[in-house]
Amino acid sequence: DGGITQSPKYLFRKEGQNVTLSCEQNLNHDAMYWYRQDPGQGLRLIYYSQIVNDFQKGDIAEGYSVSREKKESFPLTVTSAQKNPTAFYLCASSGQTGRGRGEKLFFGSGTQLSVL
Amino acid sequence: GNSVTQMEGPVTLSEEAFLTINCTYTATGYPSLFWYVQYPGEGLQLLLKATKADDKGSNKGFEATYRKETTSFHLEKGSVQVSDSAVYFCALPSEGGSEKLVFGKGTKLTVNP
Repeated sequence: DGGITQSPKYLFRKEGQNVTLSCEQNLNHDAMYWYRQDPGQGLRLIYYSQIVNDFQKGDIAEGYSVSREKKESFPLTVTSAQKNPTAFYLCASSGQTGRGRGEKLFFGSGTQLSVL
Repeated sequence: GNSVTQMEGPVTLSEEAFLTINCTYTATGYPSLFWYVQYPGEGLQLLLKATKADDKGSNKGFEATYRKETTSFHLEKGSVQVSDSAVYFCALPSEGGSEKLVFGKGTKLTVNP
């Protein structure tokens, strides 16, 4: 079945540590996104990528980094510079062409990151 | 850019009750509008969408009508079930022709038997 796979489901970070969240899709979608979800705050966009080897900052990119070396993969690194990383992280992709290309998003099941 | 304001929850209903979750938007032009649903421990799924004014999106008994006069896209269901318990998000593109969606803060719905 086609879809988006996020791993791990739960992740713990120690102080000063960088951690990487995995996101893989087999939907052949060009665009991929990372959102952060905090209770009562909805979803906020961290980074997005419209094509391989290209990505743009979203609304809350500070303390995060990404890469897009393959169409299928869009890993997110939470660096030690992110002082409040505890949140639920959601990866999404979209593949519609033309206007409103990113409108229908397909989401993974998320990674809950907590600080030890 | 575009924005959305969503009714805050939580909302608690008994089974078979009528549901309304309010959503209003601010946008340039007439973008598509969406409702997404998130079941516990999962990612979001598209519930329904409307692409132009007066369109009605519907799915699984849920409906929402794109009202440009009131800039609203309220979600309704005539008779909720326990299985409808989830968090509901209203969304629209962040700007005209954008690749990105902006989401409301979400409304948590709990349906009791």
